[in-house]
Amino acid sequence: QQQVKQSPQSLIVQKGGIPIINCAYENTAFDYFPWYQQFPGKGPALLIAIRPDVSEKKEGRFTISFNKSAKQFSLHIMDSQPGDSATYFCAATPYTDKLIFGTGTRLQVFP
Amino acid sequence: DTGVSQNPRHKITKRGQNVTFRCDPISEHNRLYWYRQTLGQGPEFLTYFQNEAQLEKSRLLSDRFSAERPKGSFSTLEIQRTEQGDSAMYLCASSSIQGTSNYFSYNEQFFGPGTRLTVL
Repeated sequence: QQQVKQSPQSLIVQKGGIPIINCAYENTAFDYFPWYQQFPGKGPALLIAIRPDVSEKKEGRFTISFNKSAKQFSLHIMDSQPGDSATYFCAATPYTDKLIFGTGTRLQVFP
Repeated sequence: DTGVSQNPRHKITKRGQNVTFRCDPISEHNRLYWYRQTLGQGPEFLTYFQNEAQLEKSRLLSDRFSAERPKGSFSTLEIQRTEQGDSAMYLCASSSIQGTSNYFSYNEQFFGPGTRLTVL
């Protein structure tokens, strides 16, 4: 119940493509869902986050879609760039608690 | 730089030795978290503090691990009698929890660059 399942494990797109990363959870106590971006040798950086009272949140080229009934959420990266090549982690938490991370998706964007 | 800082950035040690890592959170953040990340995996929670109080410890944190946050500012994570399985990136994060017992602000956690531990 504490797991967050993330897919795919890796993703390769061309510049301008729209990679989509999916996550699913079981614990209905989770009510805060952030996405983190991590470059090699660096700590994760908060990208965008959503709460279950909204179905979509957009910040720049990054959009989270949230389906509360299906307990699924996804990250869309519009007009992807080579600089977006990184590992992306979804996470979930019951609001003020520790983060439970997915296993990560390695994204490569080719020019 | 006002972000989370961690020292050292890299540590190589021999099996059986003790190591200590330090984390300086964002100023005035009252929560501080430690996570461990192994290659190809997401960070796993180890423990967290609210001010100087250690509120939760993961079962991953064996009795060889100890963490402190004296005076509610910086924190240290010590691993005694290191084993090769302890090789990982140790990440620190901080956040600001504000509000009453009935309502809290979002728990946005900001991570430091990590300390990479290699146990030979």
